[in-house]
Amino acid sequence: SQQGEEDPQALSIQEGENATMNCSYKTSINNLQWYRQNSGRGLVHLILIRSNEREKHSGRLRVTLDTSKKSSSLLITASRAADTASYFCATAPVGSSNTGKLIFGQGTTLQVKP
Amino acid sequence: NAGVTQTPKFQVLKTGQSMTLQCAQDMNHNSMYWYRQDPGMGLRLIYYSASEGTTDKGEVPNGYNVSRLNKREFSLRLESAAPSQTSVYFCASSRGGGTGELFFGEGSRLTVL
Repeated sequence: SQQGEEDPQALSIQEGENATMNCSYKTSINNLQWYRQNSGRGLVHLILIRSNEREKHSGRLRVTLDTSKKSSSLLITASRAADTASYFCATAPVGSSNTGKLIFGQGTTLQVKP
Repeated sequence: NAGVTQTPKFQVLKTGQSMTLQCAQDMNHNSMYWYRQDPGMGLRLIYYSASEGTTDKGEVPNGYNVSRLNKREFSLRLESAAPSQTSVYFCASSRGGGTGELFFGEGSRLTVL
């Protein structure tokens, strides 16, 4: 069963606008990660937020985590056409430390129009 | 630095045929994983190897076998391919010893007719 559910499934914005994607999960986690996947390519790690962190920044990316609501959001500011991709959240459930297993959501497809 | 390399990139099989997907990483990572990606389903874990010499089932292991040949290589075998195994397969690796970042290969697109 899928741990993460992402919302929206698809998002289309203009270049320069901000894009927000949300992820909800079901079980307690050690950390939550976000990945990007360009069409026809493998996934690339963007950012990791630990369960005791509430917010993290990396360049134009801002991630928040609310463990009480079991949800996370990814904000991409000042979007560019090159940000067009699918974005996936992935959770590391408590108890998975020895295995490194991640459970992925279904993804949000972002289109940034020039 | 090649990272994670998967072969082949594309493969077409007939129902009942067998094949092996190869994966190698050059980052000295301890843990390796095989995921499959289907439309609307995200990525689902098939098998993983937390360290050299160990393998364990993931969420969808039926119809697959794996071999952790050495620290670098982790192969996925389909003994008798079925149309339901048509998918894109991704190999990934991580340092292990925790739940950190995964490094992915470029994927292997498999079609079973």
